[in-house]
Amino acid sequence: DVKVTQSSRYLVKRTGEKVFLECVQDMDHENMFWYRQDPGLGLRLIYFSYDVKMKEKGDIPEGYSVSREKKERFSLILESASTNQTSMYLCASSSTRLVFYNEQFFGPGTRLTVL
Amino acid sequence: AQTVTQSQPEMSVQEAETVTLSCTYDTSESDYYLFWYKQPPSRQMILVIRQEAYKQQNATENRFSVNFQKAAKSFSLKISDSQLGDAAMYFCAYATGANSKLTFGKGITLSVRP
Repeated sequence: DVKVTQSSRYLVKRTGEKVFLECVQDMDHENMFWYRQDPGLGLRLIYFSYDVKMKEKGDIPEGYSVSREKKERFSLILESASTNQTSMYLCASSSTRLVFYNEQFFGPGTRLTVL
Repeated sequence: AQTVTQSQPEMSVQEAETVTLSCTYDTSESDYYLFWYKQPPSRQMILVIRQEAYKQQNATENRFSVNFQKAAKSFSLKISDSQLGDAAMYFCAYATGANSKLTFGKGITLSVRP
């Protein structure tokens, strides 16, 4: 089974802090994604990566950056955390092999609170 | 741009009954995939069912089935014999054949009454 893990389930940070959210997948997936989930807004794509050292902006990249130095790991960075970045952050991965029909596998999520 | 609309924010069903969750989408693509994801209160999102647009036959996975109306751009999820464990948030999602980016609807919270 595919396993996607995220470094923390709950995180509390102060305004202005630099925050790192880590995601690791164990199925050699090429694609990795970061979403934020807010009530009434569904899931919104922040950044995604199709390969090591490659990244592309999603729908809401402002205030975030990412890093993918190894295939299995995709990090989301909040350069200077703000209260409006309080949210649930979900990481996902998927394979480029068409037999998987673009299915994404999700991590358990990180509930980030910025005070 | 592709959009996915789930117009009902909440629904409730009696245990053992059948419920249908609605989803519509908008796209100009001919090759695409549709998904229903389930997010239980523990928050781990899992795939419930998927449908390839080129297939006319509706997908079925045990108690879960879809009604895929391509011309109407409608993709509803039917849950038969509802169980307490079906209580969750359900998201409809769309992906084109060109890449694996998913566009999600806003989700619907399903509660199951014992």
